[in-house]
Amino acid sequence: GENVEQHPSTLSVQEGDSAVIKCTYSDSASNYFPWYKQELGKRPQLIIDIRSNVGEKKDQRIAVTLNKTAKHFSLHITETQPEDSAVYFCAASKGNTDKLIFGTGTRLQVFP
Amino acid sequence: DTEVTQTPKHLVMGMTNKKSLKCEQHMGHRAMYWYKQKAKKPPELMFVYSYEKLSINESVPSRFSPECPNSSLLNLHLHALQPEDSALYLCASSVTRGETQYFGPGTRLLVL
Repeated sequence: GENVEQHPSTLSVQEGDSAVIKCTYSDSASNYFPWYKQELGKRPQLIIDIRSNVGEKKDQRIAVTLNKTAKHFSLHITETQPEDSAVYFCAASKGNTDKLIFGTGTRLQVFP
Repeated sequence: DTEVTQTPKHLVMGMTNKKSLKCEQHMGHRAMYWYKQKAKKPPELMFVYSYEKLSINESVPSRFSPECPNSSLLNLHLHALQPEDSALYLCASSVTRGETQYFGPGTRLLVL
């Protein structure tokens, strides 16, 4: 079945630096790739998503890139702020199925 | 109303109790989901309802019984749970199957 690997598991950066989280998926039929941010004790919150007909998408300090050939997608956060500290999950799904296959999560810590 | 809501926020129950979790959305979404999330792990899909009909059951034990009485409401009935069922139970909804999923705040369940 579909598998999504996510790296790194933890990431510590200084405020103002950039952070990059990478995911690899196994099913080439996957075509939808959301990223969720989950603060401690809170709900997973969608921060950005991308579909397979697009290679890159930006929203202010956040960007996602997709390499379909390599089956990689990445989250890029620029000018990090302490409030970016959270666990970030990537996910993948295919077609009109509902099943989001989540990565194992990355704990991002941004130090002031 | 642009959010998914869940009640209760916290629930403690014994192994012989019967309780229910409730999820509500008024965004006109026609797909609703139950997820289970253990600490430091990604959400795991349990059930999917599409147009008030159960479309996916991820081999969940029968002590969990979902119900979708109408397009805005999703319940999860709990009976004879085990301590290992203690987790955060998340509800999500999307416009239709395969579209972006938005999560509720979750119910933190403790089974004693």
